[in-house]
Amino acid sequence: GENVEQHPSTLSVQEGDSAVIKCTYSDSASNYFPWYKQELGKRPQLIIDIRSNVGEKKDQRIAVTLNKTAKHFSLHITETQPEDSAVYFCAASRGDSWGKLQFGAGTQVVVTP
Amino acid sequence: EAGVAQSPRYKIIEKRQSVAFWCNPISGHATLYWYQQILGQGPKLLIQFQNNGVVDDSQLPKDRFSAERLKGVDSTLKIQPAKLEDSAVYLCASSLGKTQQFFGPGTRLTVL
Repeated sequence: GENVEQHPSTLSVQEGDSAVIKCTYSDSASNYFPWYKQELGKRPQLIIDIRSNVGEKKDQRIAVTLNKTAKHFSLHITETQPEDSAVYFCAASRGDSWGKLQFGAGTQVVVTP
Repeated sequence: EAGVAQSPRYKIIEKRQSVAFWCNPISGHATLYWYQQILGQGPKLLIQFQNNGVVDDSQLPKDRFSAERLKGVDSTLKIQPAKLEDSAVYLCASSLGKTQQFFGPGTRLTVL
């Protein structure tokens, strides 16, 4: 089955700097890659997603890039703010089992003022 | 639009006891998911329903876990008997077909 690895496990950045989280996946048939943000004690919330027919997607300060050949995708947060502090999870699923998201272990992002 | 509702929010039981969790998805969402999130890990899918039918339960420990969605709306997840390693947050999510999954607030289960 699919295996998703996520790095780093923790990331500390100064406010205003950029943060990058990387994920690799094992199943070449995976074609949907969402990113979720989970604040302490809260529910995971989708912040951005990308499908395999697109190499990059951007939404304001957040962007995701996908390299299908290398089987990895990354989350980029620019101009970080204290409210970006949270755990971020990447996930992957394949078209024939689209609901079965395989999540990475998560990255704890801490933005210090 | 109301979000995914779950109850209870917290539950503490002793090992070998039984427990049940309830989920009410977003109105109109045909697909419902139950995830287990152990502290420090990402959510792991336990079971996926499409209306009242099971799409995937390959990661559900069927010797102790069961789930149902009888009328294609609400769902319950049961653990019987519970083990210490079942301590986790149980998240319910729903989606409108092949789209974004919306998560509920979760039920935090502690097994003593």
